[in-house]
Amino acid sequence: QSVLTQPPSVSAAPGQKVTISCSGRRSNIGSNDVAWYQHLPGTAPRLLISDNSQRASGIPDRFSGSKSGTSATLAITGLQTGDEADYYCGTWDTSLSAVVFGGGTKVTVL
Amino acid sequence: QVQLVQSGAEVKKPGSSVKVSCEASGGTFSRYALSWVRQAPGQGLEWMGGIIPFFSTSNYAQKFQGRVTLTFDESTSTAYMELRNLRPEDTAYYYCAREGGNYGSPSWFDPWGQGTLVTVSS
Repeated sequence: QSVLTQPPSVSAAPGQKVTISCSGRRSNIGSNDVAWYQHLPGTAPRLLISDNSQRASGIPDRFSGSKSGTSATLAITGLQTGDEADYYCGTWDTSLSAVVFGGGTKVTVL
Repeated sequence: QVQLVQSGAEVKKPGSSVKVSCEASGGTFSRYALSWVRQAPGQGLEWMGGIIPFFSTSNYAQKFQGRVTLTFDESTSTAYMELRNLRPEDTAYYYCAREGGNYGSPSWFDPWGQGTLVTVSS
């Protein structure tokens, strides 16, 4: 059971938009910055978003992040087949004194 | 631009130990901190702990306390993760990643190593 809650999967047609939610508590998302990662199993995860909404170097503006209260959201617009991957949110949890991640969301391009 | 290069895959027996290395290529760890994250088959990402070489300090997730040790060799700019008393459920990809955010309470990781598959089987 992951500390942060993400939907297991989302899907959309090429060119469309998907949003991935990440829900937590005051001790994690409510108090600390959120990051988002793109991951294909067995390969190195790739940082997409840091500090809630800052795109990492080389990340296209089709990817955007936001945070409100104890929830965060990743949006992907202009969906491409190359965007098919697992996406994870992560942050520091002040109560646990540990980094916590969501369970991951699989994005499928129909 | 620094890249993190990890050691190769390992196959271990239950009860044994494994030591995975992570070397900075094209740069040094300098004043950065480094974390270790693992992913078991079909599971999500799981943070194991982090080390701040500059301050010679480390912190561990409660789940791994007493079973994992993170170290750093300054002469070779290489970090190590040793996991002891291995169990089949420790079978996973293990990743090192440079921390971003505050020392000791990272909020993001970049870059990541390529991953090291550790298989624990009798």
